[in-house]
Amino acid sequence: NAGVTQTPKFQVLKTGQSMTLQCAQDMNHEYMSWYRQDPGMGLRLIHYSVGAGITDQGEVPNGYNVSRSTTEDFPLRLLSAAPSQTSVYFCASRGVSYEQYFGPGTRLTVT
Amino acid sequence: GNSVTQMEGPVTLSEEAFLTINCTYTATGYPSLFWYVQYPGEGLQLLLKATKADDKGSNKGFEATYRKETTSFHLEKGSVQVSDSAVYFCALSGPNAGNNRKLIWGLGTSLAVNP
Repeated sequence: NAGVTQTPKFQVLKTGQSMTLQCAQDMNHEYMSWYRQDPGMGLRLIHYSVGAGITDQGEVPNGYNVSRSTTEDFPLRLLSAAPSQTSVYFCASRGVSYEQYFGPGTRLTVT
Repeated sequence: GNSVTQMEGPVTLSEEAFLTINCTYTATGYPSLFWYVQYPGEGLQLLLKATKADDKGSNKGFEATYRKETTSFHLEKGSVQVSDSAVYFCALSGPNAGNNRKLIWGLGTSLAVNP
């Protein structure tokens, strides 16, 4: 049981490039979410999904897309990277008691 | 709307000192309350939780009691260790029923424990 996995662990992009951050969970959780973590700003919700085929926006969705074709996978796409998207990105899934399980994070730098 | 306020850090303590990290919340209804911990370079892990008033969550020597009368969920540990150095986040889950109960997060409190 691997829990929540994320790839890559580190990534450097140039402004305007696109990329996909991968997230997978093996706990059969319906609810998954993406957060970004920035110094002094805590965790901010980007997008979330309540099940396969259903996604919705969080607090800071601009510049990001998500899809949920399976229960296990919830990739986050950066459409055209900007320096303001330099951050640490966490994927999480939620258990039956509303506790969240986090992946190890992706540290993204946009130059 | 719902919100969580944590004491600002950083908090610096000596090993075996008593720890309190304050957390207060604003919410309608009856939220569940959580403490998460983030060790350096890692993701967040659930530390403890409480789902109703007067519940006490506990784990790894940490405790927090859900106080509805003071809308608080302060984290305490009687004797901290160097290995407790981390960032601690208080969070609440909104009272509305259904799958869209998003977590509301505090900004985190950094704890450094010196030997």
